[in-house]
Amino acid sequence: QSALTQPASVSGSPGQSITISCTGTSSDVGGYNYVSWYQQHPGKAPKLMIYDVNKRPSGVSNRFSGSKSGNTASLTISGLQAEDEADYYCCSFAGSRTFDLFGGGTKVTVL
Amino acid sequence: EVQLVESGGGLVQPGGSLRLSCAASGFTFNTYWMSWVRQAPGKGLEWVANIKEDGSERYYVDSVKGRFTISRDNAKNSLYLQMNSLRVEDTAMYYCARDLGYDSFDVWGQGTMVTVSS
Repeated sequence: QSALTQPASVSGSPGQSITISCTGTSSDVGGYNYVSWYQQHPGKAPKLMIYDVNKRPSGVSNRFSGSKSGNTASLTISGLQAEDEADYYCCSFAGSRTFDLFGGGTKVTVL
Repeated sequence: EVQLVESGGGLVQPGGSLRLSCAASGFTFNTYWMSWVRQAPGKGLEWVANIKEDGSERYYVDSVKGRFTISRDNAKNSLYLQMNSLRVEDTAMYYCARDLGYDSFDVWGQGTMVTVSS
C-alpha cells in the first residue's frame, strides 16, 4: 500500500493556527478511527502528539488537536510557537495485514 | 524512567546480515506490543514489524517479509530484529517503539543506524 499523502510544507507566523492534512483511502484513514500524529525535530526520535484521531497523550500541549473527515485526517496547531518548527508525520492503522502506514511528512516552518 | 535503547547497527555489505537489539526499562515490558520503525536518510517513517506481548503473533511490512525476523525475550526485557539478505534500500535509522496498538507508538528509542553498502 502507498504511504499517506501529506503536504510537503506548511508555514505560519507565531500565534497563528495551521492545519496539516493527511489523505488516505477507505482502507486506512477512512476505515478506522486509528490515526496518530508524530512530531520530529532534526536528529531526534519522533514524539507522539495525537492518537486515535483526536486524543492527546499526557504532557502534550492542548494547542495540538486532531480530527478526521472521510479519508482525510488533520492536525491543527494553534498559537504557533517557535518550538513547533519540526517535521510532522501522520500514521493510520490499515488492517491486520498491512498494520501501520505513515504519511510522507510535513515540514512546519514558523516564520 | 521509561526508556528504550537500541544497539547493533553498523555498515554491512549487500546480502549480509545484522541483528538489532532494543533494551527496555521503566515499564512492564511483557504487557506491551513492540514495533520496529525505520527512516531512510532524509525520508519519512516506515513501520517495519511488530510483535505481540508474548511473541505469539508477528507482522511485517511486505518489503522485509522472508528477510527480517522480529523476536523478544521478556525475561531480558529485550526486543530484537534479525535482518538477513540486506539490500541497499534497507539503509535507515531503525527505531524501537512501544506499540499501544493500532496506531500509537508512545515511547521511542534514540535509533540505531544501519548502512548497507559495498
